[in-house]
Amino acid sequence: DSGVTQTPKHLITATGQRVTLRCSPRSGDLSVYWYQQSLDQGLQFLIQYYNGEERAKGNILERFSAQQFPDLHSELNLSSLELGDSALYFCASSVEVRGQETQYFGPGTRLLVL
Amino acid sequence: AQTVTQSQPEMSVQEAETVTLSCTYDTSESDYYLFWYKQPPSRQMILVIRQEAYKQQNATENRFSVNFQKAAKSFSLKISDSQLGDAAMYFCAYRSGGTYKYIFGTGTRLKVLA
Repeated sequence: DSGVTQTPKHLITATGQRVTLRCSPRSGDLSVYWYQQSLDQGLQFLIQYYNGEERAKGNILERFSAQQFPDLHSELNLSSLELGDSALYFCASSVEVRGQETQYFGPGTRLLVL
Repeated sequence: AQTVTQSQPEMSVQEAETVTLSCTYDTSESDYYLFWYKQPPSRQMILVIRQEAYKQQNATENRFSVNFQKAAKSFSLKISDSQLGDAAMYFCAYRSGGTYKYIFGTGTRLKVLA
């Protein structure tokens, strides 16, 4: 158990809908990353937040947005869903010690768009 | 733009034997980090080992070690005394020293034969 929690574990929805994925980082971790893993693919970096502020942005679609709240939990919002958005969405929190950053991944949210 | 390539979609190794997984990357930067992550059937992403580009010494973590060839932009993972629990997808990842964007390869599925 990494200490990072993600809810829900599974989500089934229809095209055109909007969903929200939630991530709670490890206690004390200020940084949250979001990744998308499509079937049998590597992870695609979406976005990173640090202490409430966006710090890095990857190939995140305009239909997707995220935020990190004062209590450091984060939400990823996916709207106007398409079939191709079906994937495993990971959240990771990280800590940096003496310049070395270690990411701790949550168990993921499996999204199925029908 | 940086890229990470894992040219071996699948590898097999006999239990107790040694196996090497390949990873090459492309970057024009001098400051970066390289990682190997393991993803077992549970889908949980687990950090196996990391290498800072400025360190000439290859990183080792118990039975896992890397062969970091900076000039060749190669970063292979060696697993010694392979165990059944090593069976998983292994992802190579790159992070620029100046940003927090991670780039993952497409993965190598490792099978361990009893």
